[in-house]
Amino acid sequence: NAGVTQTPKFQVLKTGQSMTLQCAQDMNHEYMSWYRQDPGMGLRLIHYSVGAGITDQGEVPNGYNVSRSTTEDFPLRLLSAAPSQTSVYFCASSPVRQGPYQPQHFGDGTRLSIL
Amino acid sequence: GIQVEQSPPDLILQEGANSTLRCNFSDSVNNLQWFHQNPWGQLINLFYIPSGTKQNGRLSATTVATERYSLLYISSSQTTDSGVYFCAVEKYGNQFYFGTGTSLTVIP
Repeated sequence: NAGVTQTPKFQVLKTGQSMTLQCAQDMNHEYMSWYRQDPGMGLRLIHYSVGAGITDQGEVPNGYNVSRSTTEDFPLRLLSAAPSQTSVYFCASSPVRQGPYQPQHFGDGTRLSIL
Repeated sequence: GIQVEQSPPDLILQEGANSTLRCNFSDSVNNLQWFHQNPWGQLINLFYIPSGTKQNGRLSATTVATERYSLLYISSSQTTDSGVYFCAVEKYGNQFYFGTGTSLTVIP
């Protein structure tokens, strides 16, 4: 029962490098999302997806790309890393809600430092 | 977006004490959730409570949607309650807005 799996757990990048943060879930959830957590600011939504082939922007999408080719995977791409993207990144999933409440399941996070 | 304010920002309790955490939000919402982030950074769902009152063991929550606030009550606190408590709201479209959290430290 893996739930939501994020890889890697830690990563250090240099400014300008590119990287993909991986997120996979094994619960057949339609909805997946990426958040970043900065000190004192809570979590902010970057991008989300309500199903394979469908993505949309959240509150802070600039500098990040996503795609959703399968139900299970929702990778987050940094094309040219900047120090301002140093943060802890969380992936979450849930069934698409069309009635009763369905809780979001969070991964354990990826700590990303950009020098 | 929706503004979500939580208070107090920091709270230190003696084990066994009770506490109330507050979440104010700036617009009507369809979804409100409380989360606990443990000292290892893991996020755990506590309550889904867009309105009304719910209880789960020593924790309970009340949301007054018409007045745009929610309260989380922790009774007989334990050291394992330490961490950060977040309130998150959704108005529509699967976009959640989190508050900045209340950091709770329970001292033995």
